Parts: sequence; C-alpha cells; structure tokens
Amino acid sequence: NAGVMQNPRHLVRRRGQEARLRCSPMKGHSHVYWYRQLPEEGLKFMVYLQKENIIDESGMPKERFSAEFPKEGPSILRIQQVVRGDSAAYFCASSPPPLYGTGELFFGEGSRLTVL
Amino acid sequence: ILNVEQSPQSLHVQEGDSTNFTCSFPSSNFYALHWYRWETAKSPEALFVMTLNGDEKKKGRISATLNTKEGYSYLYIKGSQPEDSATYLCALHNAGGTSYGKLTFGQGTILTVHP
Repeated sequence: NAGVMQNPRHLVRRRGQEARLRCSPMKGHSHVYWYRQLPEEGLKFMVYLQKENIIDESGMPKERFSAEFPKEGPSILRIQQVVRGDSAAYFCASSPPPLYGTGELFFGEGSRLTVL
Repeated sequence: ILNVEQSPQSLHVQEGDSTNFTCSFPSSNFYALHWYRWETAKSPEALFVMTLNGDEKKKGRISATLNTKEGYSYLYIKGSQPEDSATYLCALHNAGGTSYGKLTFGQGTILTVHP
C-alpha cells in the first residue's frame, strides 16, 4: 500500500523559471494538503484541496503560487517566476474524508526546491 | 496568529533513559492536538491525535497527555532507544474558523539517543 508519493524529490530552478511539484495521495484519500518548510523554520500550511476544489488557500502567497487537484492525476503545486526566497522543502499530505479518518495526516517525503 | 511552542529545542539522552518534552498552545478554540515523529530524510509520521481534555494515549514506549484548559501536552518516551532519535513535532488544529487539515506546527524537539 503505497504512501503519499511526491516528485521530484529535488528540483533546481533558476530565478524566473517555473517549478511544478506533484503529489499522489494515498489510495482512498481524497483530501490533499501542501505545507512548506523554509530554512530554519517549521512546517507552514499552504493549501487544502479536494478533487477539483480548493477548500482553503489561506496559507498560499498571493502571487505566483497556485495549486490544483484534478479529477484524474496528482495534485500539482505550481510556482511561477521563482525567486531565491522560494527555496524550501514542500510537503504534501493526504487524508481520507474527515468523517472516515482519525484526523491524522499522512505525509510524503517532500520536494526540495533550490532556486539559483 | 497561533503560537505553538515546543521545549526543549533539542535533547540528548543515553540509551535506556526516559525522557519527556512539552508542547504549549493557546487553549481557546481548541479542536485537536497532533504529535508526529520525523526521522531525517523521511516523512513525518503521526503518533497521536488527541482531542479530549485529560486524554492519555500510548503506543509502545511512547505516551502523551493533553490538558486543553491550560494549553499543554506532554510526550513521554520510556527507556529511550537509539532508533527513537528523531524530531518530534506537535501541531494544533484550532477550531476558530480553521479548515480541516490546517495544522499549526511547533518547531519541534530534536531527540538524540546515544548508545
């Protein structure tokens, strides 16, 4: 039973390029969350998605960042025109619908973005 | 802005020692408190999700308690082993208009168990 799969695990981009990070949730999980860990900081919530819906994007930077979770395929976190300050580890987590779970989140191993 | 504080920041113990660390959080609008164990180069893994004041949960040698009225939780490890070395994170799910899965994490306690 595969866990949450994230790819790429490491991504290097130059300033101004686009970064796309993918997340496949655990089988049976319809809820996906993205968290970011900046250097020397803790995990910070970015966005909560269900299939084809953004439920809470209160943690997303206002510009350049977007997320989607299409009906088919993985969830994607997209960062346009990356800047050095976007260098961080981006973690995806998934869960079953609230009524069916214990509340815990299941995390992937993260995607580490380095902006040169 | 919610503030979740963990102490100590890091801890070194000898194999066989018992240890504990603290997570402090605002007690208003409490919904749930999560504990995660995070080994280097791996993914954070849930240990406990606690919702009730006075709750105590146990998994093997690890246990946790919760006081929602005063806003703290303790994590205990009995007879620490080198494989317990990890970062232990607590995370608050606050009910004040917060969506499911929006957790506020502490900075973590880094535990190193020396053989």
